[in-house]
Amino acid sequence: DTEVTQTPKHLVMGMTNKKSLKCEQHMGHRAMYWYKQKAKKPPELMFVYSYEKLSINESVPSRFSPECPNSSLLNLHLHALQPEDSALYLCASSLYNEQFFGPGTRLTVL
Amino acid sequence: DQQVKQNSPSLSVQEGRISILNCDYTNSMFDYFLWYKKYPAEGPTFLISISSIKDKNEDGRFTVFLNKSAKHLSLHIVPSQPGDSAVYFCAASAAGGANSKLTFGKGITLSVRP
Repeated sequence: DTEVTQTPKHLVMGMTNKKSLKCEQHMGHRAMYWYKQKAKKPPELMFVYSYEKLSINESVPSRFSPECPNSSLLNLHLHALQPEDSALYLCASSLYNEQFFGPGTRLTVL
Repeated sequence: DQQVKQNSPSLSVQEGRISILNCDYTNSMFDYFLWYKKYPAEGPTFLISISSIKDKNEDGRFTVFLNKSAKHLSLHIVPSQPGDSAVYFCAASAAGGANSKLTFGKGITLSVRP
């Protein structure tokens, strides 16, 4: 298995909803990442987990809550989002320097 | 402050010719550089990388050149194919290894004309 998978592919949620994004990899990578990407912009790093521990939080608002239940799984819990949070959310994993990205979840907040 | 710059927003090339995508960086601490290709509504796909101890890395049709003194790298695609049409991101990291932060450029849209 040489890929990063993400579910769901698309998500529409209201500002009062609670939802979660899921990411999975079975490549034995020990670092996992969440990025946010707006249209025509580069990916922006949100969180980094290393060996299942949060190592980098890029000052992300608390309405985004990451979780790493085990070395293969990464979740992003969403609560009370704003319409400006609508974006493509990308998960990535790495063993060394190269990060491998999943296909992303297209999130729309109404 | 933009530490990784891709100053040309777009490039159009004839099929079969060479595509040269440029990238400049300002942070002297960057020691590992990567190129990613991205289609709309998909995640970036890793293409090729280079460590600062090298000045060239080649993988099939893709070659990356690094000029540390000029803080400049370029991606050469030879020959270019219509399927190469996508957005290409240059990225850099400092003190690399797993869990290091990637800093991305704004991307360049490559169009390969049949």
